[in-house]
Amino acid sequence: QSVLTQPPSVSAAPGQKVTISCSGSSSNIGNNYVSWYQQLPGTAPKLLIYDNNKRPSGIPDRFSGSKSGTSATLGITGLQTGDEADYYCGTWDSSLSAGYAVFGGGTQLTVL
Amino acid sequence: QLQLQESGPGLVKPSETLSLTCTVSGGSISSSSYYWGWIRQPPGKGLEWIGSIYYSGSTYYNPSLKSRVTISVDTSKNQFSLKLSSVTAADTAVYYCARVYYDILTGQWGDYYYYYYMDVWGKGTTVTVSS
Repeated sequence: QSVLTQPPSVSAAPGQKVTISCSGSSSNIGNNYVSWYQQLPGTAPKLLIYDNNKRPSGIPDRFSGSKSGTSATLGITGLQTGDEADYYCGTWDSSLSAGYAVFGGGTQLTVL
Repeated sequence: QLQLQESGPGLVKPSETLSLTCTVSGGSISSSSYYWGWIRQPPGKGLEWIGSIYYSGSTYYNPSLKSRVTISVDTSKNQFSLKLSSVTAADTAVYYCARVYYDILTGQWGDYYYYYYMDVWGKGTTVTVSS
């Protein structure tokens, strides 16, 4: 059971837009910054979004992130077949004195 | 270009200790603002954070694994390592090492806001726990 909740799967047609939600609590998403990762089949995860809505160099602006309260959202526009992957949200949880990092359970994106 | 490479045994017996090393190339492990972390992914499942370490030796661990995990750093070799004791089949996973950006913002009321993300990942190494 993951601390952050994501839908197991989402799907959309090529060219369309899709959003992936990530729900948490005040001890994690509510008070800390969220990151998103893309994991293509058989590869290591790659940083897609950091600090809620910033993109690393080389990540196209088709990918966007936002946060409101205790939830975060990843948006992908102009879907391509190459976007088929698992997507994970992550953040810090400060509920314990030491704190720890947490991930969502992951969302599998299918581009129909 | 910063690169990370995991290394270690691919097969570990139950009850023994899993030991992995991550070698950092193209940059210094002693960089400020960056921690170095371990993440694992059991077959067909999601990501699980194991812990992270600063070059000074400061560590953070997953509470659910803390009693069995030790992460250490060797700045002279530009490496950091993971030891996971008393392993069982449930510890079978792909293990990734990563560079971690970690920072704390202090709010105007004295509260804290944490930045934490993994920006460079190794390719991962598969560890199977089996007799």
